[in-house]
Amino acid sequence: SAVISQKPSRDICQRGTSLTIQCQVDSQVTMMFWYRQQPGQSLTLIATANQGSEATYESGFVIDKFPISRPNLTFSTLTVSNMSPEDSSIYLCSVQKPGNTIYFGEGSWLTVV
Amino acid sequence: SQQGEEDPQALSIQEGENATMNCSYKTSINNLQWYRQNSGRGLVHLILIRSNEREKHSGRLRVTLDTSKKSSSLLITASRAADTASYFCATDARGSQGNLIFGKGTKLSVKP
Repeated sequence: SAVISQKPSRDICQRGTSLTIQCQVDSQVTMMFWYRQQPGQSLTLIATANQGSEATYESGFVIDKFPISRPNLTFSTLTVSNMSPEDSSIYLCSVQKPGNTIYFGEGSWLTVV
Repeated sequence: SQQGEEDPQALSIQEGENATMNCSYKTSINNLQWYRQNSGRGLVHLILIRSNEREKHSGRLRVTLDTSKKSSSLLITASRAADTASYFCATDARGSQGNLIFGKGTKLSVKP
């Protein structure tokens, strides 16, 4: 079974709306990471989500646009707020397991129209 | 900014041939990982090589790491059409706690 379950897998969203992506892990992990992959591009880290504290955002990403929740050690959500066509991307969560192997969810493919 | 840079950006070979992809990075690392991404799919972890390792094998995959040159290579031997995908290297920089910096990727096409 998958280490990470991520949903939705795909969605088509209207401009100006917000969408929340969920990431469920099969065991407790300290850190969860959210990435964006724009069409034809590589992955860029959005933020690191630590349970019990605010997420740490990378340069170019802000909490108002990408609010993150981390209510427990197996779950996190990323919201893409006030979407525009430029937000059309794949959004992926990842976790690091003992042994340093990092696992990714299948990704959430968002198209903003 | 992205740390890893892969070359070539795109590679097209015939089934049965070997495919070599290279990756360079900029800062000290704990380890380097290679991932595959099939079109329309998520990332699949292929192999992890630690900073104190020089070579690692997994099936038809061979990864090398040269920390003095800050570079790594991924060799896929006897390629198959099913190997067609994008391949990314990612570094887990020293001091990080699991966040990765990805290269731009190599798009591999294996023709039957």
